[in-house]
Amino acid sequence: QLQLQESGPRLVKPSETLSLACSVSGGSISDRSYYWVWIRQPPGKGLEWIGTIYYSGSTYYDPSLKSRITISVDTSKNQFSLNLSSVTAADTAVYYCARHGGVGPIDSWGQGTLVTVSS
Amino acid sequence: DIQMTQFPSTLSASVGDRVTITCRASESINRWLAWYQQKPGKAPKLLISKASTLESGVPSRFSGSGSGTEFTLTISGLQPDDFATYYCQQYSSPLYTFGQGTKLEVK
Repeated sequence: QLQLQESGPRLVKPSETLSLACSVSGGSISDRSYYWVWIRQPPGKGLEWIGTIYYSGSTYYDPSLKSRITISVDTSKNQFSLNLSSVTAADTAVYYCARHGGVGPIDSWGQGTLVTVSS
Repeated sequence: DIQMTQFPSTLSASVGDRVTITCRASESINRWLAWYQQKPGKAPKLLISKASTLESGVPSRFSGSGSGTEFTLTISGLQPDDFATYYCQQYSSPLYTFGQGTKLEVK
């Protein structure tokens, strides 16, 4: 049973960088069948896809966030990470890590972690 | 990127009702559409993929249809557990996008 677990600071100051990691258990991040995803949900609002990474390091980013995002993968730790720079209060959200197949829906989700941007 | 427009944003219904949620894509996505159910404080749950394929364990009262740019999610015979928020999502493009969500509430 695949499990995804987000970790990282829950409070980030404005203008700083939000950094989260997603640990994958019950499966390999190097499995060529899957892509690894970050999604966020501001309080009371809808789901926003942030970006996707393949085990090889290939990435796809939301154009509106592209200048501030870096998603990376660490196959030795079986985890992938999100860095979002120059954060503002608008980046306050529950951040989910997730997985999908090649051309496929998101079939596994982490529980999500609330990150608040505030001084 | 492909925009997804979902409506209505809120839907009031009663147990036993049949309800329909619509999702429209800004360009053709063939049948590369998924529907998710989300309850408060929980991660979304995949209900339907490829526009109409029910995921394992999802009750048959849920059904999806459509192709191209217009899609629907229908719940026939609402149950108390179905009151939640529903999202559509396209995966035709590697830049995934979600609809705005439909909150299904008790009338």
